[in-house]
Amino acid sequence: SQELEQSPQSLIVQEGKNLTINCTSSKTLYGLYWYKQKYGEGLIFLMMLQKGGEEKSHEKITAKLDEKKQQSSLHITASQPSHAGIYLCGAGTSFMNYGGATNKLIFGTGTLLAVQP
Amino acid sequence: EAGVAQSPRYKIIEKRQSVAFWCNPISGHATLYWYQQILGQGPKLLIQFQNNGVVDDSQLPKDRFSAERLKGVDSTLKIQPAKLEDSAVYLCASSRRTSGVGETQYFGPGTRLLVL
Repeated sequence: SQELEQSPQSLIVQEGKNLTINCTSSKTLYGLYWYKQKYGEGLIFLMMLQKGGEEKSHEKITAKLDEKKQQSSLHITASQPSHAGIYLCGAGTSFMNYGGATNKLIFGTGTLLAVQP
Repeated sequence: EAGVAQSPRYKIIEKRQSVAFWCNPISGHATLYWYQQILGQGPKLLIQFQNNGVVDDSQLPKDRFSAERLKGVDSTLKIQPAKLEDSAVYLCASSRRTSGVGETQYFGPGTRLLVL
């Protein structure tokens, strides 16, 4: 079965600093999702990557999927207190059932980010 | 567009009691998912519905957990009887369809369950 490992497990940065979170998969990634979770809240979708070498950006957050499609990184530029939370990567996996092909997400354990003003 | 709705937001019960959670997905989304997230871990899929049929329930502890999605819209997840290790956040998510790895899942705010 596929497993995702995130690093670091937790991170404390000063406001304005850049940071990177990594997500490594035990198998090839066919769809890699990044979500953010604040305490007591659900997951907020950030970005989805599918192609090797793909890079997407939204505001100050950039996500990349490596050429071999086994590792992804999430980079935050000039961090702000609003970036604080838990960042989760999820791998889309396809499997067969009686209804045909379908998909589900396998999640990593998450990275807790704190941003100090 | 309204997001995924869940209730209650918090629930405290004693072990061996029963509890039920409710989820209303985004309008028009055919696929609905229930996840369990234990503190310090990523969410784990419990059950997946497409319309009102079960697609995957391989990780659902069927001796105590049950779920249904009548009429292919909202869904309930029940635990009976609850154990201490069921303390977790229960997340509901939905997507437009289920086939392919490119379908984004949108999550509700979750129900935080504490079993004493």
